[in-house]
Amino acid sequence: GAVVSQHPSWVICKSGTSVKIECRSLDFQATTMFWYRQFPKQSLMLMATSNEGSKATYEQGVEKDKFLINHASLTLSTLTVTSAHPEDSSFYICSASKVYNEQFFGPGTRLTVL
Amino acid sequence: AQSVAQPEDQVNVAEGNPLTVKCTYSVSGNPYLFWYVQYPNRGLQFLLKYITGDNLVKGSYGFEAEFNKSQTSFHLKKPSALVSDSALYFCAVRDDADKLIFGTGTRLQVFP
Repeated sequence: GAVVSQHPSWVICKSGTSVKIECRSLDFQATTMFWYRQFPKQSLMLMATSNEGSKATYEQGVEKDKFLINHASLTLSTLTVTSAHPEDSSFYICSASKVYNEQFFGPGTRLTVL
Repeated sequence: AQSVAQPEDQVNVAEGNPLTVKCTYSVSGNPYLFWYVQYPNRGLQFLLKYITGDNLVKGSYGFEAEFNKSQTSFHLKKPSALVSDSALYFCAVRDDADKLIFGTGTRLQVFP
């Protein structure tokens, strides 16, 4: 149990376009989902926390208008990188949490912006 | 504020030898501590956690970690390393808002 998927696993896009990344909890209902960003050879940096049906809470320094997060159901959260630029290229990882339990991580999405 | 530190960027060990990956923490209140492993281009896999109870926590793939309150440490250990254990290991602490605060990671390299 506690499987989290992400789609796509990798994406290449042109500068200025928008990219949507999906995060799904496959066998449990996730009250909370988290979005992380990881640069090469660095740790995970929390971008935002989202609860189903409410607005995401963004960490300091993360542009909420650039990284749109939607948590429409208890099994799906999406991250949309709007008007992507090369500096947005990174590895994006989501996680899902049951109430008062550890986070289960997705396999990650590698975004490359040309 | 909660934080964790992983003082070693890389740990090298020969296959069959015991391994230790170090982690120290700083928290207010009771620590909720975790270890995760990350293979190249993959997400994080949960290894083990300490919430309360026995100081020695056993986890996946033969790993264990020892919670030491006096030294504020939570070192990851394995009695006999495998080449397949080579990966990036992250220590993390959960804060009051249920967020995970990660260390900088330690790359474990096990040589045959």
